[in-house]
Amino acid sequence: EAQVTQNPRYLITVTGKKLTVTCSQNMNHEYMSWYRQDPGLGLRQIYYSMNVEVTDKGDVPEGYKVSRKEKRNFPLILESPSPNQTSLYFCASSLSLWAGGANTEAFFGQGTRLTVV
Amino acid sequence: QQQVKQSPQSLIVQKGGISIINCAYENTAFDYFPWYQQFPGKGPALLIAIRPDVSEKKEGRFTISFNKSAKQFSLHIMDSQPGDSATYFCAASISGAGSYQLTFGKGTKLSVIP
Repeated sequence: EAQVTQNPRYLITVTGKKLTVTCSQNMNHEYMSWYRQDPGLGLRQIYYSMNVEVTDKGDVPEGYKVSRKEKRNFPLILESPSPNQTSLYFCASSLSLWAGGANTEAFFGQGTRLTVV
Repeated sequence: QQQVKQSPQSLIVQKGGISIINCAYENTAFDYFPWYQQFPGKGPALLIAIRPDVSEKKEGRFTISFNKSAKQFSLHIMDSQPGDSATYFCAASISGAGSYQLTFGKGTKLSVIP
């Protein structure tokens, strides 16, 4: 089954304790991205990756890091989490974003609800 | 700077009625406009999409209307059903090499009451 898998689904952590949210896709997609979803603010892009070893900042990158060492994996790293990073996080992948048409559909994971206390 | 403005923030519609969600964009370089549907506890999923070379696209009960001169597009859900209750996001992107961002609106929470 084609899917994007995020882990964990729920996480409660304390301020300053480094954490990693994993994301894996089995569709051989080139493009992957991370979003955070907050009430009234919709989906905001954190980072995206066009392919292995190629990443770039989205709209709200502060406090986050990413890496793309393999095509299928795109982990999100919070080096020193703070309460304002409490949010619902989504990983997404698509075959391509610039080829146009059907290749641009984004497939989303189930989400990771993070609480930083 | 919000590049895609979506309204209303929430919408309540009676079963069988028409749900209408509107979006407006600023960047005239946008050339791909998808709508995503999100059920509680799930990630968003592509519902329907349109390119600006057509003014309307219909898939079942869902229709996108596109007005290029006004830089607006809207989602119409005909014969709305309780199963359509979800959050809907409009989005926009630019095709072509070098452009890799999908910009979302803030979302509309639709509730269809029996």
